Amino acid sequence: AQKVTQAQTEISVVEKEDVTLDCVYETRDTTYYLFWYKQPPSGELVFLIRRNSFDEQNEISGRYSWNFQKSTSSFNFTITASQVVDSAVYFCALSEKRSSYDKVIFGPGTSLSVIP
Amino acid sequence: DVKVTQSSRYLVKRTGEKVFLECVQDMDHENMFWYRQDPGLGLRLIYFSYDVKMKEKGDIPEGYSVSREKKERFSLILESASTNQTSMYLCASRGTGTLAYEQYFGPGTRLTVT
Repeated sequence: AQKVTQAQTEISVVEKEDVTLDCVYETRDTTYYLFWYKQPPSGELVFLIRRNSFDEQNEISGRYSWNFQKSTSSFNFTITASQVVDSAVYFCALSEKRSSYDKVIFGPGTSLSVIP
Repeated sequence: DVKVTQSSRYLVKRTGEKVFLECVQDMDHENMFWYRQDPGLGLRLIYFSYDVKMKEKGDIPEGYSVSREKKERFSLILESASTNQTSMYLCASRGTGTLAYEQYFGPGTRLTVT
C-alpha cells in the first residue's frame, strides 16, 4: 500500500534554531517522486522541492535542505536558522504511476511554529 | 506564474443545499484535482480530471460530483450538502507528462455546512 507518514503533528521552535521535519513513505514501485509543499497561514500550498527515486543526492537551497535515504524510505526536511516566516504546515507527498494517471499521496502534514 | 483561482474563500451553506465550488487555472494544464483537507488527515483526493469531460474518482468521491466542460475550469458539486462535508477544499492543476510535475494549488475554500 502506498502511504506517507509524517510522525510530527506539531513542532515549536525558537527563532534561529534548526528544525527537521520527518517524512517516511511506503511504495512498491521503483520509479516514484517525492515532494515537499509549504502551506502558510494564507492557505495556498506552495511547492518546495521534488526528488526522483533514482537520485539520492541531498539538496540544499538557502536555509532549506533535504535528506533522501531510500534504505530507510525517508525524505526529511531541515530548516536551518529558522525564522518566523517559516511558520506553516509542511506536507510531504509521494507520486507514483498508475495505469492511466499519476497518483499523489499526501502525508498528514507537520505544523511548524517559529517563536520570535 | 501559474494561477489557480477558486470562486470563494469562505462559504456557509445549509444541510441539503446543492453547493458548487469553482476552480479556474490559466496555464492550459490538462490535469486538475479537487482535495479536501482536514486536520490530521492531510489532503485527500476527491476527484480529478485529466482532460475536458474526463473525470476519475479519487479516494473519497462519495457525496461529490465534478464537471469539466472547459479545460481551464473544474467544478466540484455537493449534491446535498451534509455537516460532515464541512472542510477546506483545495483545487490544484498540473501539466501533462511525467510524475515529476508539481501541482499548483488554489487558495482554498473553507466550507461550513450548518
